[in-house]
This record gives sequence, structure tokens and C-alpha cells, in this order.
Amino acid sequence: DPKIIQKPKYLVAVTGSEKILICEQYLGHNAMYWYRQSAKKPLEFMFSYSYQKLMDNQTASSRFQPQSSKKNHLDLQITALKPDDSATYFCASSQDLGFSGNTLYFGEGSRLIVV
Amino acid sequence: AQKVTQTQTSISVVEKTTVTMDCVYETRDSSYFLFWYKQTASGEIVFLIRQDSYKKENATVGHYSLNFQKPKSSIGLIITATQIEDSAVYFCAMREGNTGKLIFGLGTTLQVQP
Repeated sequence: DPKIIQKPKYLVAVTGSEKILICEQYLGHNAMYWYRQSAKKPLEFMFSYSYQKLMDNQTASSRFQPQSSKKNHLDLQITALKPDDSATYFCASSQDLGFSGNTLYFGEGSRLIVV
Repeated sequence: AQKVTQTQTSISVVEKTTVTMDCVYETRDSSYFLFWYKQTASGEIVFLIRQDSYKKENATVGHYSLNFQKPKSSIGLIITATQIEDSAVYFCAMREGNTGKLIFGLGTTLQVQP
């Protein structure tokens, strides 16, 4: 059974609309992340959270807003969607943030297509 | 800035043979951590193996092993006795400081044929 659950797995959205990507992890980890995978680009770090606090934001646009309602949840709200936002968004988690050696584990991804 | 480069776009091998995938990295950190992941056809990203820079021994997990050449800033992934199900895209990654941020390469597509 997957330990990091992402919902939905696929979604199609209209330009200008808003969507929320859900992520829950059942690994007992304290740090969670969002990464984005676009065509022809490497996996790209977006956000990191530790104990529900935002630690790092590498996303230039404020249209992307992570939300952590519980320790094991990290959702991603995307507003005013653009076709360039089309990508697969991966949630990940690790035991802790501060120890560089911690391994990241990834969810199965949410594939977003903006038309 | 840290950087990870995978120069091999794709590799095709016959099953049960050994394959090596290359990865070079750039960092100014004295201590760093290197990872290999694979992405299956379904899109799932699976952690395979990691190397801590302060360890001289090459990491080995199952039929995966690493060829860590620190002076060359190189971390190759070796898969022995390849199987059809090893067909996937393999990513090399380096962890940046204490941010939890992984820097990924572009990946190498491995096709294992019967």
C-alpha cells in the first residue's frame, strides 16, 4: 500500500481556475515537500515544510500556496491556473528536514493538465 | 550552485546483463548526500540507493550498487543481472544542505530487452 497518498491522480483544469492537490503521508515523517515535473525539465523543488511550518519556498509565483492542516498533510493550492502549470506534482516526505542525509520518499504524483 | 548532470539519455541492454549509468555533480559542500531514484512507467518515483560523501565504501542494495569516485565528482549506478522490470527512467540527485531540497539530473531511460 502506498505510504504517501496523493489525490487526485489526474485532473484537467480550465485556464484561470483554481485547484487543490491533496497529500497525506503515513510514514510518521516530520518533513514534507512538493516537487514539480514538467516535460523536458528535471524534477524541480517547490516547497519544504517541517512540523507544519514552511521552511523553504523556491516557487516564484504566489499562485502556488501550500497548506498544512495536520502534521501528515501538505496540500497545494494553485490559483489562476495557466497552461504552463501543466505538470505532474509530486509530494514527498522525509524523517526530518535538518539532517541532510534523510532520504526523501515520493508519492505517486498528481498529473495536472490546464487547458 | 549545485548541479547534477546525467549525460546518457537512454540505454538499451539485454536482460541478465550489467548496466552502468553515469552521473556527475557539482557542489561546494564538504559533506553531501547523493541518491538514485527510478521512475516507473506508471510515474511512481522509487528510492533505490544513496551514498554519503564521507563514506569511502560504495553503497550496495540488492542488485544496485554505486561507483562513487569523489575526486571526479562522479556517482555511477550499477545494476547487475538486469530484469525486464528494471526498465524505467533513473534519476541521480544530490541533497542541498539542510533544506531538504534535492537537485535532480534529467534522467537516463533504461530499456531492458529479452
